[in-house]
Amino acid sequence: AQTVTQSQPEMSVQEAETVTLSCTYDTSESDYYLFWYKQPPSRQMILVIRQEAYKQQNATENRFSVNFQKAAKSFSLKISDSQLGDAAMYFCAYRSVGGADGLTFGKGTHLIIQP
Amino acid sequence: EAQVTQNPRYLITVTGKKLTVTCSQNMNHEYMSWYRQDPGLGLRQIYYSMNVEVTDKGDVPEGYKVSRKEKRNFPLILESPSPNQTSLYFCASSPGQGRSYNSPLHFGNGTRLTVT
Repeated sequence: AQTVTQSQPEMSVQEAETVTLSCTYDTSESDYYLFWYKQPPSRQMILVIRQEAYKQQNATENRFSVNFQKAAKSFSLKISDSQLGDAAMYFCAYRSVGGADGLTFGKGTHLIIQP
Repeated sequence: EAQVTQNPRYLITVTGKKLTVTCSQNMNHEYMSWYRQDPGLGLRQIYYSMNVEVTDKGDVPEGYKVSRKEKRNFPLILESPSPNQTSLYFCASSPGQGRSYNSPLHFGNGTRLTVT
């Protein structure tokens, strides 16, 4: 079974600065997908970014980018120019190709943005 | 608008009183699943369904039932709720079949359940 570990229960960053959230995972599979979801106080689960393991290029979505290190099984999320609206819980998630098991989530990182 | 709709958003009930949380999606997705979210534990899968009449257990299925009689609906049933089922529940869906599973899950807005 796969496991996903987020070692930072809480992170704090000044508005406009850059923050990196860590995620590591354990799997014996070679092909899979990785996601970052954001959960603001409204409780919605919002997809931030996704990465396919067979692609070496790191995914980028506007101010959000990932550092995907397949050999190290690491998938960190970098948020540039942090904004107050980025304050939320962030969950890292893993999905196998074929995906019948759905997503395996980490326990989350609570991101605080200091004005 | 493409969406996953869960009802109700909030539910307070007593131990042992059967309840159903409904979930419906309008995206013609084959795959649907239920998760529960608890503080410090992240989201854990309860049950999932790969298509009509096909359901399977996730990581924490005890005390729950599901059914998938139609493609769009995937209700979660608690036959005899207990206080340890107090949680935030999410329904989610995605296209199925092969590499379509790389599609992220689309989540409903959640149901906050309290069992006293």
